[in-house]
Amino acid sequence: GNSVTQMEGPVTLSEEAFLTINCTYTATGYPSLFWYVQYPGEGLQLLLKATKADDKGSNKGFEATYRKETTSFHLEKGSVQVSDSAVYFCALKGDAGGTSYGKLTFGQGTILTVHP
Amino acid sequence: DAGVTQSPTHLIKTRGQHVTLRCSPISGHKSVSWYQQVLGQGPQFIFQYYEKEERGRGNFPDRFSARQFPNYSSELNVNALLLGDSALYLCASPGQTTDTQYFGPGTRLTVL
Repeated sequence: GNSVTQMEGPVTLSEEAFLTINCTYTATGYPSLFWYVQYPGEGLQLLLKATKADDKGSNKGFEATYRKETTSFHLEKGSVQVSDSAVYFCALKGDAGGTSYGKLTFGQGTILTVHP
Repeated sequence: DAGVTQSPTHLIKTRGQHVTLRCSPISGHKSVSWYQQVLGQGPQFIFQYYEKEERGRGNFPDRFSARQFPNYSSELNVNALLLGDSALYLCASPGQTTDTQYFGPGTRLTVL
C-alpha cells in the first residue's frame, strides 16, 4: 500500500536559516503530493501541493518539487521565521485508478522550532 | 463560504462510553472524510463518504462507524471507548479543486 516517510525531527533553526524537511513516498501510479502544516492546538492547513511529476508547489516562501525518479517531495524555505514554528506533514493521495483514491496517507510529521 | 466545521471542540469521556462527533463539509461539497490523529503522529484515515455512501474505510475496528446525512454533514460514532481512542479527530472536505482536502479544526477526545 501507499506510505510516506519524513525525516526524523525535531528540527531547530535560527531565524533566517535555510530549511529542508525530507519526504519520500511509496505508491503505485501517479499520486498527488501535499505538505500540510499544523500550528499548536489547531487542525491541518494545506501549505502546498503538486499533482504530477516535476511540478513545483509553492506558498508563503515554501517550495517542494515532485520528483518521481527519486519518489521524493522535500520541503524547502530559504529563510525561516519564528512564525514558521509548527509541525509539518507530508501526504499523498492515490490516483483515480487506485482503490485508495481520495484517501490521504500522511507521514509522521516533523516538528520545526525557529528561535529568534 | 464557511470552511469545514466540527463539533464539539473538546470532549471528555470514560472508558466504555459512546461518543458522537459531527462535521459539516465545505458548502456544496458532497464528500467527507474522517481521520484520527494520535498525539505525536500523523493523521490516520478512518472513513470517506460521498453522497451518503461509504467510499473507503481505514484499518479501524467495528467500534468505529459513520454516516452522512442528506445535507452532506456527517457523524462519526465510536462505541465502547478505550484509552487508546484519545486523539484529535479531523474531518476533511474537498475544496474548489477536488484533488485537495481541507481540514476542520478537529475535535479533541480524551478518554479517561
